[in-house]
Amino acid sequence: DQQVKQNSPSLSVQEGRISILNCDYTNSMFDYFLWYKKYPAEGPTFLISISSIKDKNEDGRFTVFLNKSAKHLSLHIVPSQPGDSAVYFCAASRGAQKLVFGQGTRLTINP
Amino acid sequence: NAGVTQTPKFRVLKTGQSMTLLCAQDMNHEYMYWYRQDPGMGLRLIHYSVGEGTTAKGEVPDGYNVSRLKKQNFLLGLESAAPSQTSVYFCASSTYRQFSSYNEQFFGPGTRLTVL
Repeated sequence: DQQVKQNSPSLSVQEGRISILNCDYTNSMFDYFLWYKKYPAEGPTFLISISSIKDKNEDGRFTVFLNKSAKHLSLHIVPSQPGDSAVYFCAASRGAQKLVFGQGTRLTINP
Repeated sequence: NAGVTQTPKFRVLKTGQSMTLLCAQDMNHEYMYWYRQDPGMGLRLIHYSVGEGTTAKGEVPDGYNVSRLKKQNFLLGLESAAPSQTSVYFCASSTYRQFSSYNEQFFGPGTRLTVL
């Protein structure tokens, strides 16, 4: 039972344009959502998060949107830069202990 | 401040051999976690610990054991390795915040394990 799903294994975007990564979840009890970024041969690093009481959180070029009725969240990166090329994981939690991760989306930014 | 470190970085085992992966964190975090990452599967939780001396099963615990004798260390053991355990293993840690769902986990660099 995949509670958190990233249905796009890969995404290719032109440098300077907007990148939109999507994530769907099934458990309505999740109350905290995070995005992680992962470069090859490194561990995931925290990017941005959002609580279920909000519908948007912004940090520089990164914005996360949460649509609770649709059980959907998205990460917007604008403008996209070559250094943004990585695998992005969304994750969700209920309470402060365990995270459930999606399968990941490989983002490639083309010059 | 090294954050989360993992030992070893790479290892090749034969089927049936045993080994222990070591995770250490210097952030005084209460919670520690072991994940495995496989292609197309994302990160799956193996075992986790909410404090020294306590451990709990995650999503895929079979074939693994863990111990948390010291707050800063979390060990993952494979008693009899199988080819299905070929994977990249990540350790993570996070802090406890009362009455909060905040759960940013900090990850180590990973251990790439191959079981032949």
